[in-house]
Amino acid sequence: NAGVTQTPKFQVLKTGQSMTLQCAQDMNHEYMSWYRQDPGMGLRLIHYSVGAGITDQGEVPNGYNVSRSTTEDFPLRLLSAAPSQTSVYFCASSYLGTLNYGYTFGSGTRLTVV
Amino acid sequence: ILNVEQSPQSLHVQEGDSTNFTCSFPSSNFYALHWYRWETAKSPEALFVMTLNGDEKKKGRISATLNTKEGYSYLYIKGSQPEDSATYLCAPGHNQGGKLIFGQGTELSVKP
Repeated sequence: NAGVTQTPKFQVLKTGQSMTLQCAQDMNHEYMSWYRQDPGMGLRLIHYSVGAGITDQGEVPNGYNVSRSTTEDFPLRLLSAAPSQTSVYFCASSYLGTLNYGYTFGSGTRLTVV
Repeated sequence: ILNVEQSPQSLHVQEGDSTNFTCSFPSSNFYALHWYRWETAKSPEALFVMTLNGDEKKKGRISATLNTKEGYSYLYIKGSQPEDSATYLCAPGHNQGGKLIFGQGTELSVKP
């Protein structure tokens, strides 16, 4: 049981490049989400999904796209990377419905945009 | 967007001290309150999920209480140990969809 797997762990991009951060979970969790962590800002919600084919915006969605074609995968796409997107990105998943379950987090992706 | 406030922002205590932090959140449409422990260079790990007013949870030396009517939760650590050093995050949920908005956290440092 791998839990939540994020790839890559580290990435350096040039301004304007695009890339996809991968997130996969093997716990059959309905709910998946992406957060970014910035100094002094805590964890801020980017996008989330309550099931395959359903996504919604969080607190800071601009510059990011998501899709949820399967229960297991929830990739985050940076369309045109900007230095302001330098951050550590965490994917999290949980069972849905009652909020009685804690999130399981991935190990994070550290992204630097130069 | 929910306004979640945690205090203090940081706390430095000596080994053996007991300490507590506060999480404040809007009480309207409350559904659940999560506490997470986040060690440096690791991922956040769930400590407690609380849903009922007056709920109390305990795990070893760490406990939490919840007041949904006034919108706050306390996290207590009894007899702090250096391994308790971490950032403690709270996150209220206000619907059944699973979305959590996190506070900025309380950074605890326990000196031996």
